[in-house]
Amino acid sequence: DTEVTQTPKHLVMGMTNKKSLKCEQHMGHRAMYWYKQKAKKPPELMFVYSYEKLSINESVPSRFSPECPNSSLLNLHLHALQPEDSALYLCASSQTGWGEQFFGPGTRLTVL
Amino acid sequence: GESVGLHLPTLSVQEGDNSIINCAYSNSASDYFIWYKQESGKGPQFIIDIRSNMDKRQGQRVTVLLNKTVKHLSLQIAATQPGDSAVYFCAESSPGGFKTIFGAGTRLFVKA
Repeated sequence: DTEVTQTPKHLVMGMTNKKSLKCEQHMGHRAMYWYKQKAKKPPELMFVYSYEKLSINESVPSRFSPECPNSSLLNLHLHALQPEDSALYLCASSQTGWGEQFFGPGTRLTVL
Repeated sequence: GESVGLHLPTLSVQEGDNSIINCAYSNSASDYFIWYKQESGKGPQFIIDIRSNMDKRQGQRVTVLLNKTVKHLSLQIAATQPGDSAVYFCAESSPGGFKTIFGAGTRLFVKA
């Protein structure tokens, strides 16, 4: 299984809502990533987990809260988002911190 | 901060021709470079990578060239096909891995 899955595919939320994005991989990868991608822009790194520990936080606002419950799962908890947070949120994994990253299809988030 | 950029935002080629996509990087400490392809509605997909101790690497129909002197890399696609139409991103990783920075992207159009 060389797939990274993400749920939901689409999410619309209000600024006062709390929601979560989920990511799962069963490739035995020990590094997992969250990226944010605005339209016609490259992916921007948000968080990196290595061996289930947060290793990189790219100064992301606290309204985004990552969680890695186990080596296969990665969550991104959302609270009090702003309309400018609307974007495609991509999850990726890699065997280590080096090498090919496998990306999921993303969650298209709209904040009203 | 450090960034990876691209010379051309769009490239249009005739089916069967060769394509060359260029990328400039600014962090001379970067030692690992990757090309990703992103089709509409999908996450980025790994194409080919190269380490800084190499200047050329070939895959199936693709070649990556690295010129460390001028901090430039390129992706060559041989016999371009309609299925190659996508946005292509170069990306760099600094020593230690984990942190991947994407360039701005080039959209490749293949004319039949």
